[in-house]
Amino acid sequence: AQSVTQLGSHVSVSEGALVLLRCNYSSSVPPYLFWYVQYPNQGLQLLLKYTSAATLVKGINGFEAEFKKSETSFHLTKPSAHMSDAAEYFCAVSEEGAQKLVFGQGTRLTINP
Amino acid sequence: DAGVTQSPTHLIKTRGQQVTLRCSPKSGHDTVSWYQQALGQGPQFIFQYYEEEERQRGNFPDRFSGHQFPNYSSELNVNALLLGDSALYLCASSSILAGGSYEQYFGPGTRLTVT
Repeated sequence: AQSVTQLGSHVSVSEGALVLLRCNYSSSVPPYLFWYVQYPNQGLQLLLKYTSAATLVKGINGFEAEFKKSETSFHLTKPSAHMSDAAEYFCAVSEEGAQKLVFGQGTRLTINP
Repeated sequence: DAGVTQSPTHLIKTRGQQVTLRCSPKSGHDTVSWYQQALGQGPQFIFQYYEEEERQRGNFPDRFSGHQFPNYSSELNVNALLLGDSALYLCASSSILAGGSYEQYFGPGTRLTVT
């Protein structure tokens, strides 16, 4: 069965600092991996996705993530945090043919001025 | 191009009542999935509809049922509401024909409060 673990339910960084949100997955077959962002009282917006092409994936708003099969990880990074990045971030996994997404518990990102 | 839309935005119901939530998928999408997001949690998969049939189902009781119409829109019905059903209900649409990553686009959600 698929599962996702997000290390750290709350991450706080200073404006301009590196953002690193951790995600580890479990899947019996090559997975599809996603990062979504959720702003307060809103739905989920796709940041980026890994679909077995390049292992370094670039997304919107300056975010990127690297797929590391040996570590079963898909960590999300951004070189320089902006105040507008404050939100809840969810990592999700899906398998070929399954279509359903399995989400992690989420990481709340706070940006300090 | 309209994205995924959901109605209503908010809903308050009493225990034991029944509720119907509605979703219109993104233009060109033929598959609708429903998720329940409890406060402080990640979304949990309820079920998925394609070609007006339930294609997959998560670990939710039969009180949760759904329907997909010929225009691909969908309804989520919950019977005999419990306090624990209070959550944000998210609808997501995708396209089987897109293949590959099955990227899902989410609506803004319906906030259901059961008192």
